[in-house]
Amino acid sequence: EVQLVESGGGLVQPGGSLKLSCAASGFTFSGSAIHWVRQPSGKGLEWVGRIRTKANTYATEYAASVKGRFTISRDDSKSTAYLQMNSLKTEDTAVYYCSRRTCSGGSCFSDYWGQGALVTVSS
Amino acid sequence: QSVLTQPPSASGTPGQRVTISCSGSSSNIGSNAVDWYQQLPGTAPKLLIYVNNQRPSGVPDRFSGSKSGTSASLAISGLQSEDEADYYCATWDESLNGLVFGGGTKLTVL
Repeated sequence: EVQLVESGGGLVQPGGSLKLSCAASGFTFSGSAIHWVRQPSGKGLEWVGRIRTKANTYATEYAASVKGRFTISRDDSKSTAYLQMNSLKTEDTAVYYCSRRTCSGGSCFSDYWGQGALVTVSS
Repeated sequence: QSVLTQPPSASGTPGQRVTISCSGSSSNIGSNAVDWYQQLPGTAPKLLIYVNNQRPSGVPDRFSGSKSGTSASLAISGLQSEDEADYYCATWDESLNGLVFGGGTKLTVL
């Protein structure tokens, strides 16, 4: 059974840092890109960024709102992806989801999602 | 403001057919396939439709998707109370080089 489990959420002050983990199981982690998506309370989904596979040089892309502050990485030996968040702002407060990307016929989609980790940025 | 435009709300009575639209541009829907996600209250999003009109196993055939030009739509036939949820469209945007979502549509079953 495919599972993604986020951890590391919590309360942090503005300007602080937090690192989320996304532990995967039930599939070949090294063969899948991982995306991070966030959702402020009562609002819609916002893409944060992605990390591709080793075959794609572990390339990363980020949303403009987090570029330069957030870093996505992965450790294929641990089947885990990470989201390092620095210089946090109150507007970063949200539930953060990781998702597995699967590709079919040249198109990719997020077929499995974690349960989410709540990050609250407040003084 | 979301890159993809969805109506904020939709509603229908049990058994009815409802459609939810998703409008984009040449750099996103016009260039790439569209996915739809269902989010029940308090839960993570769930893949409902992928590559415009494909259903993952386990998704009832009451759900269908289509795409034409720079727009896509999700249709739900035989509406049931358990379909009450938020629905999001998503696709890759070539100009932004990122995944973009619609603002979400809250479906109410009357």
